[in-house]
Amino acid sequence: KAGVTQTPRYLIKTRGQQVTLSCSPISGHRSVSWYQQTPGQGLQFLFEYFSETQRNKGNFPGRFSGRQFSNSRSEMNVSTLELGDSALYLCASSREGGNYGYTFGSGTRLTVV
Amino acid sequence: QKEVEQNSGPLSVPEGAIASLNCTYSDRGSQSFFWYRQYSGKSPELIMFIYSNGDKEDGRFTAQLNKASQYVSLLIRDSQPSDSATYLCAVMGGGSNYKLTFGKGTLLTVNP
Repeated sequence: KAGVTQTPRYLIKTRGQQVTLSCSPISGHRSVSWYQQTPGQGLQFLFEYFSETQRNKGNFPGRFSGRQFSNSRSEMNVSTLELGDSALYLCASSREGGNYGYTFGSGTRLTVV
Repeated sequence: QKEVEQNSGPLSVPEGAIASLNCTYSDRGSQSFFWYRQYSGKSPELIMFIYSNGDKEDGRFTAQLNKASQYVSLLIRDSQPSDSATYLCAVMGGGSNYKLTFGKGTLLTVNP
């Protein structure tokens, strides 16, 4: 079965712009989480959605937002991009609350110049 | 700040040896524990999860959990060069906490 699909794979944006990343979870998975990965900070949790509701949120500024649609697909938005937002953004999905682990997508590599 | 700490590595073992990867966590309420493997340039891949104290074996991999000591480990027997990767320990809290807190990872190199 198809895995977690993230688009686009690579993105280059200018400071001050905004960006939207997309994630399609594995079929039947209703929980979607987003993580930011950087060499210095490692994997940092952004937020988790289940049935279109945000259940958990990490310690990121309000410029980072997300949503989930009725088909479980999710989007993440970053407004007013900063150089420090350059990172690999990973989406992960699970059937319920991730008790059996989350499956990660290939990620979106965002570069802010 | 709830934290997950891993031995910094890098860890280098010869082919065929046992690789031992360790992880400690600070949140006593944590309920679920995971080991992910991440090859360079790839996304994390789930290897094992464990909830109960004791050992859980899957092929060449054994996860060990000691909640009293807040300690999780991963043993890789008969290490192969293809096991060379960064291993990430992740912890999930209980109740309605669906957030995975990751350690910084341990880079493992298996030398032929």
